[in-house]
Amino acid sequence: NAGVTQTPKFQVLKTGQSMTLQCAQDMNHNSMYWYRQDPGMGLRLIYYSASEGTTDKGEVPNGYNVSRLNKREFSLRLESAAPSQTSVYFCASSEVGGGSPDTQYFGPGTRLTVL
Amino acid sequence: AQSVTQPDIHITVSEGASLELRCNYSYGATPYLFWYVQSPGQGLQLLLKYFSGDTLVQGIKGFEAEFKRSQSSFNLRKPSVHWSDAAEYFCAVGGDSSYKLIFGSGTRLLVRP
Repeated sequence: NAGVTQTPKFQVLKTGQSMTLQCAQDMNHNSMYWYRQDPGMGLRLIYYSASEGTTDKGEVPNGYNVSRLNKREFSLRLESAAPSQTSVYFCASSEVGGGSPDTQYFGPGTRLTVL
Repeated sequence: AQSVTQPDIHITVSEGASLELRCNYSYGATPYLFWYVQSPGQGLQLLLKYFSGDTLVQGIKGFEAEFKRSQSSFNLRKPSVHWSDAAEYFCAVGGDSSYKLIFGSGTRLLVRP
C-alpha cells in the first residue's frame, strides 16, 4: 500500500495563478483532511471531508476550495494564489467517519511558494 | 474551545540522555491525545495515542507518554535518545463528537553526538 500520496511535491506560482493539489489514499478510509503547516504554527486544518460526498470548512478555509472526487481522492484548489498561501500542504486520511477522532495518516506534503 | 500548548520550541539533548517533551491541552471532557513525529521533509507519523484506560501509553521507537488529567498534560518521554530521534514533535488533541484534531505548534528536537 502506498498510503497517502500527494502531487506535486513542489510548486512555484505567481500571484493570481490557480492550481490544484491532488491527494489520494488507498486505505479505504472514510475521512480526509487538508492542512497547511507554517513555521511556529503547527498544522492548521483548511478543509475536511468526513465521508464521500461531504466537505466542511476547517480553521483556515479562505482562499481555498476542495472536492471529494470519490472515496480515494480529495483535491485542494487555490483559485487565485496569494503570497500568504506560501506554505507546506499536507493531506491526511482516517478510518473513522464521525463521532470521535482516529489516527490520521499523512502524505509527504506539497511545498508551495507563491511569488 | 480545544487548544494545545507545547511550551518548548527547541530542545537539545545529548545522545543517550533521557528526553521529556511537554504538552498541555485545554478541553472540557476526556480528550483523545496524540503524539506525531515529523522528520525533515517528511509527513507526520503517529508515535502513540491515548483514548482511555491506562494513562501510561507505549508507542513506537521506544517512546511513551503519560496522561495526567489533573495537570491537563500529556508529556512524551524516552529514556535514551538516539541521533535518529532528531525531528519535530507535535502533540494533538481531539474529541467532543468531532474527528478533527487540534495540533500544537511543535517542538524541534536536536541531538548532540
